Amino acid sequence: KAGVTQTPRYLIKTRGQQVTLSCSPISGHRSVSWYQQTPGQGLQFLFEYFSETQRNKGNFPGRFSGRQFSNSRSEMNVSTLELGDSALYLCASSLAGLANYGYTFGSGTRLTVV
Amino acid sequence: EDKVVQSPLSLVVHEGDTVTLNCSYEVTNFRSLLWYKQEKKAPTFLFMLTSSGIEKKSGRLSSILDKKELSSILNITATQTGDSAIYLCAVSAGGTSYGKLTFGQGTILTVHP
Repeated sequence: KAGVTQTPRYLIKTRGQQVTLSCSPISGHRSVSWYQQTPGQGLQFLFEYFSETQRNKGNFPGRFSGRQFSNSRSEMNVSTLELGDSALYLCASSLAGLANYGYTFGSGTRLTVV
Repeated sequence: EDKVVQSPLSLVVHEGDTVTLNCSYEVTNFRSLLWYKQEKKAPTFLFMLTSSGIEKKSGRLSSILDKKELSSILNITATQTGDSAIYLCAVSAGGTSYGKLTFGQGTILTVHP
């Protein structure tokens, strides 16, 4: 069965621009969560969606937003990009996002802000 | 605030060595602890440990959850160069942490031939 698909794989943007990343979860999975990975901070939780509703949000500024569609695909948007937003953005797919279900990660989108 | 700490942060060994990676956590409403291996981009799932499953084993890898000490170890025996990776520990909790994983900083393991 297909894994978690993230697009695009790589992005280069200029400061001040905005960007949209996409994540298609494993078929049948209804929970999608997003993480930012940087060398200094490690993996940090951005937000989680289940059945088109945001259930939890991490400590990131409002420039970071997301949404989930009825087919469970999710997008995250970062507006007014800053150099510090350069990172690997990973999404994780889960059947229900509950503690005893596994989380499967996509290969990520590498965002570089110049 | 939930917190996960891994040690050591990096480790260099030779093929055939046995390694032990550590993970300690402070979370409210603990539900499960997960180990992932990250080689290039996508972290790949290794184990999930819960109150009802505190010991897991798969081939040369094994993991134990110590609920009293709020910690876990990941053991790798007879290491191979293919074990070189970042090993991530994450905790899932309930309450306000519902739906998210809190990760440790990771342990970078390098296995030399």
